[in-house]
Amino acid sequence: AQRVTQPEKLLSVFKGAPVELKCNYSYSGSPELFWYVQYSRQRLQLLLRHISRESIKGFTADLNKGETSFHLKKPFAQEEDSAMYYCALSGPGTALIFGKGTTLSVSS
Amino acid sequence: NAGVMQNPRHLVRRRGQEARLRCSPMKGHSHVYWYRQLPEEGLKFMVYLQKENIIDESGMPKERFSAEFPKEGPSILRIQQVVRGDSAAYFCASSPGTGGPYEQYFGPGTRLTVT
Repeated sequence: AQRVTQPEKLLSVFKGAPVELKCNYSYSGSPELFWYVQYSRQRLQLLLRHISRESIKGFTADLNKGETSFHLKKPFAQEEDSAMYYCALSGPGTALIFGKGTTLSVSS
Repeated sequence: NAGVMQNPRHLVRRRGQEARLRCSPMKGHSHVYWYRQLPEEGLKFMVYLQKENIIDESGMPKERFSAEFPKEGPSILRIQQVVRGDSAAYFCASSPGTGGPYEQYFGPGTRLTVT
């Protein structure tokens, strides 16, 4: 079955600490993986996608096909990073399959 | 560009009533997707539409739910005879139709509460 798992419901870190939001997936074939972010009172927006291999707002994510993971990382968390983060997978056709999300809370 | 618009933002219905959720895609976008988010769950795909066509409705419940995207006007997600289990946030996304699924832009959502 095609599935995205985000094992942590909540991740709390201090400002300046490293952040890793975990994402594991189950998919038969070559997946496309994404991270979406939802800041407070804002709509869901694309943060980054694995095919572009870019860094957005200091975040990076590497697709590890052996471990079927796509963890989101940032070396030094900022308070403005506090948000809900969703890992998503492209399924058959054009549907996106989302994980349940992880709330990142960065405090000073 | 105002982005994807959804209305109403909040909708309260009694059991057995009908709920109509509207989605206006971004200007120039001809593809619309609907997702549902139940409490404590991730977003789940429901239906994918182009103008006047349903492309993929594999995520839609078989009964009471329907969607349309007419030639003119917004896309409508319709839920007939709502039940408490329909209480959820419903998100719409649009895309220009080119590129992959990452081209989807999301609306703010409609929060449906069934009493």
